[in-house]
Amino acid sequence: KQEVTQIPAALSVPEGENLVLNCSFTDSAIYNLQWFRQDPGKGLTSLLLIQSSQREQTSGRLNASLDKSSGRSTLYIAASQPGDSATYLCAVGIQGAQKLVFGQGTRLTINP
Amino acid sequence: EPEVTQTPSHQVTQMGQEVILRCVPISNHLYFYWYRQILGQKVEFLVSFYNNEISEKSEIFDDQFSVERPDGSNFTLKIRSTKLEDSAMYFCASSPFSSGKANEQFFGPGTRLTVL
Repeated sequence: KQEVTQIPAALSVPEGENLVLNCSFTDSAIYNLQWFRQDPGKGLTSLLLIQSSQREQTSGRLNASLDKSSGRSTLYIAASQPGDSATYLCAVGIQGAQKLVFGQGTRLTINP
Repeated sequence: EPEVTQTPSHQVTQMGQEVILRCVPISNHLYFYWYRQILGQKVEFLVSFYNNEISEKSEIFDDQFSVERPDGSNFTLKIRSTKLEDSAMYFCASSPFSSGKANEQFFGPGTRLTVL
C-alpha cells in the first residue's frame, strides 16, 4: 500500500529565503506526482505535475524534482513571499489506478 | 480559465439523512473523482468515474455512497444515510484523458459537510 510522507509538518521562515519541502513515497510504481497548495478552508490548487519519466518541472519561482528510485520529491520555492504562506500537499498517482494518494502536508508560514 | 465548481459550499444535515453533493467538472474532461478530507487529516480518495461507470473506489466508498453523472455536465456524490463520521470537506476533481499518460487532476473548492 502506497504511503506518502511530508517533512517537515510545519515550517516558518523569513521573507526572501529559499526553501525546500520534502515528500517521500514507499512504492516507486507511480504514474506521476503532483504538488498542490491549500489555503485554510479552501480547495486544492495544482502547482506542478511531474510525470514518472521526468526528473523535474518548473513554474515561476517553484521547482519540483522527482527521484522515483529513491521514492522522493522536493519542492523548491525561491525568494519566498508572505503570499506563499499555505499548506503544501504532495500526491502520487498510482500506477494502474486512477487516483492520487496524498501526504499530510507541510504548513508553510512566510514572515514579513 | 476553466475550473471545477461545487455546490453547496457548506451543508449541514442531521444524522441518518441523505445528502447530495454536486460538482460541475471542467467541460472537456473525461475523468471525475471525489476525495474527502476530515479536519486535520490527509486528503483521501473515494472514487473515480470514467465513461459513465466507476473505475476505482476505496474501502471508504461503501454501499452508503453512490455517484452519478445525471446530465452530461453535473457529477454528484450521494450519501444515503449520513453518520457523524461523514463530517468532512468533500472535494470533486476532474482530469482530461490522454492515452498512455496520467493526467493532472484539477480540484474544486470543496463542500464542507457537517453531520449533527
